[in-house]
Amino acid sequence: DAGVTQSPTHLIKTRGQQVTLRCSPKSGHDTVSWYQQALGQGPQFIFQYYEEEERQRGNFPDRFSGHQFPNYSSELNVNALLLGDSALYLCASSYTNYGYTFGSGTRLTVV
Amino acid sequence: KQEVTQIPAALSVPEGENLVLNCSFTDSAIYNLQWFRQDPGKGLTSLLLIQSSQREQTSGRLNASLDKSSGRSTLYIAASQPGDSATYLCAVLSGGNTPLVFGKGTRLSVIA
Repeated sequence: DAGVTQSPTHLIKTRGQQVTLRCSPKSGHDTVSWYQQALGQGPQFIFQYYEEEERQRGNFPDRFSGHQFPNYSSELNVNALLLGDSALYLCASSYTNYGYTFGSGTRLTVV
Repeated sequence: KQEVTQIPAALSVPEGENLVLNCSFTDSAIYNLQWFRQDPGKGLTSLLLIQSSQREQTSGRLNASLDKSSGRSTLYIAASQPGDSATYLCAVLSGGNTPLVFGKGTRLSVIA
């Protein structure tokens, strides 16, 4: 049984560019949450998707947007990248917000 | 707003020692609490999940306790091994549609 799959694993982008990160949830899970983790910090909540709609959102600017597809997979998009967006981006899936399972993350470096 | 604090931020112990990691949260009205392990640059691995109605959960050498009334949880690791070296994160779910809220973690080093 595959867990949560994230792609790509690493990414280098230039300031001002746009990036799309992808996440496939664990089988049987219907909710996807995205987190940003800076070095030495705990994960910070970006937003959560359920039934293809954004259900909750953390304190992140509108440059961060997302989408959930009918098969429950999800994308995180970040526009107008800043150096401060460099971080590990974690995707987690759950069944109706219960019992989170995390992926291995995407390491984004903005230069 | 739920806030989670983990103490200490870093811990170094000799192999074989029993140790306790601490987690505190500000709002005691929680749904559940999870402990995760994170190796450097990697994702999170769930270790234990404690429901609000439970007092503790055990898995192998790991035991997690929960005291909702005092807003505290502890992760006990018995007979520590160098392979236990990692960052341990505590996260709280306050119920409903609220997100999982994390502490900053405790970085554990077990010295052989």
